[in-house]
Amino acid sequence: SQTIHQWPATLVQPVGSPLSLECTVEGTSNPNLYWYRQAAGRGLQLLFYSVGIGQISSEVPQNLSASRPQDRQFILSSKKLLLSDSGFYLCAWNPGGFNEQFFGPGTRLTVL
Amino acid sequence: SQQGEEDPQALSIQEGENATMNCSYKTSINNLQWYRQNSGRGLVHLILIRSNEREKHSGRLRVTLDTSKKSSSLLITASRAADTASYFCATDSPLTGANNLFFGTGTRLTVIP
Repeated sequence: SQTIHQWPATLVQPVGSPLSLECTVEGTSNPNLYWYRQAAGRGLQLLFYSVGIGQISSEVPQNLSASRPQDRQFILSSKKLLLSDSGFYLCAWNPGGFNEQFFGPGTRLTVL
Repeated sequence: SQQGEEDPQALSIQEGENATMNCSYKTSINNLQWYRQNSGRGLVHLILIRSNEREKHSGRLRVTLDTSKKSSSLLITASRAADTASYFCATDSPLTGANNLFFGTGTRLTVIP
């Protein structure tokens, strides 16, 4: 069966520090991969999506970037975190087409 | 934007009552989905309704879709305390690829035992 992993679960980082969040999917091949951010008490904002290795599309201009070095690995990065980067980051995948998305457990990021 | 909007923003009911949440969206869709999120957790898919469907059932869940009004409703019957969570609708668009979903801001449901 397919599973999705995200780590770390929680992270506290100072302003200006770098960021690397990792997401991996097991049990499927060539999934579509997504990064979302959720502010407290709000809906999800799509940040990046990827339909294949090395293919990244950005939905929102910001100081974050994403990479997909392997088929089932999706990484969210920043060179210098801002206070406004605090939030709950969710990774998701789906097999393509107009189907449901499967979400990871999320990473709670606090930038101080 | 395509983003859906749920109402009410918050709903509090007694256990055993029915809960109805509504979602409105702005552009044409292929599908509309409902997700549930327990506090501090990832989202879990509940049900998907296609644009050519008007009603769909799954256990205690009933979803309706009115494409002419660009709206959907999620009904949870005989609610339980364990149904306490945030509920989000999500829509896709035939204009974008990779099955991008646009999420609403959610309805926070509290079921009082």
